[in-house]
Amino acid sequence: AQSVTQLGSHVSVSEGALVLLRCNYSSSVPPYLFWYVQYPNQGLQLLLKYTSAATLVKGINGFEAEFKKSETSFHLTKPSAHMSDAAEYFCAAYNQGGKLIFGQGTELSVKP
Amino acid sequence: GAGVSQSPSNKVTEKGKDVELRCDPISGHTALYWYRQSLGQGLEFLIYFQGNSAPDKSGLPSDRFSAERTGGSVSTLTIQRTQQEDSAVYLCASSADRERGGYTFGSGTRLTVV
Repeated sequence: AQSVTQLGSHVSVSEGALVLLRCNYSSSVPPYLFWYVQYPNQGLQLLLKYTSAATLVKGINGFEAEFKKSETSFHLTKPSAHMSDAAEYFCAAYNQGGKLIFGQGTELSVKP
Repeated sequence: GAGVSQSPSNKVTEKGKDVELRCDPISGHTALYWYRQSLGQGLEFLIYFQGNSAPDKSGLPSDRFSAERTGGSVSTLTIQRTQQEDSAVYLCASSADRERGGYTFGSGTRLTVV
């Protein structure tokens, strides 16, 4: 069965530092992959998605993610964290089942 | 509408009561999904509607949970005889048929069972 694993339920970085949120998926067939962000008391907002075109995907707010088939990974990065990036981030995979399977989420804290 | 609308935004109910949660998807979106978000549990898939096809109910946790989608638009998630473990945020999302996972989510209904 398809599964998505996010390493680290909580990541803390300093403002201006690199953000790296890890995501691995399990599937014999590379799925479509997504990162969503959830700000407090809000729904999820799509950050970026991989759909088998370019392996490096750029999203909103300066985030990007690289699909690495050999590592079954889709890690999310941002070169320089901003206070406004503090939120919960979800990695998700879509396959032929017709629905998204989400990871457990990673809460990002940004220290001044 | 411009986005996915969910109501109510907050609901407090007594254990044993029935509740109905409403989702109004983006006009023209054929797919509609319900997820449950519990503290520390991530997002749990509940049910998926796609056009006129039979819904995928594989994520419903018990027979106390049911959902319907009338006229291919508005959906209602019903929880009967609520239990404290049902307390969570219930999120609805919709997508156009070909977006393959590019869902638009509503802001959710926070359900508290006391």
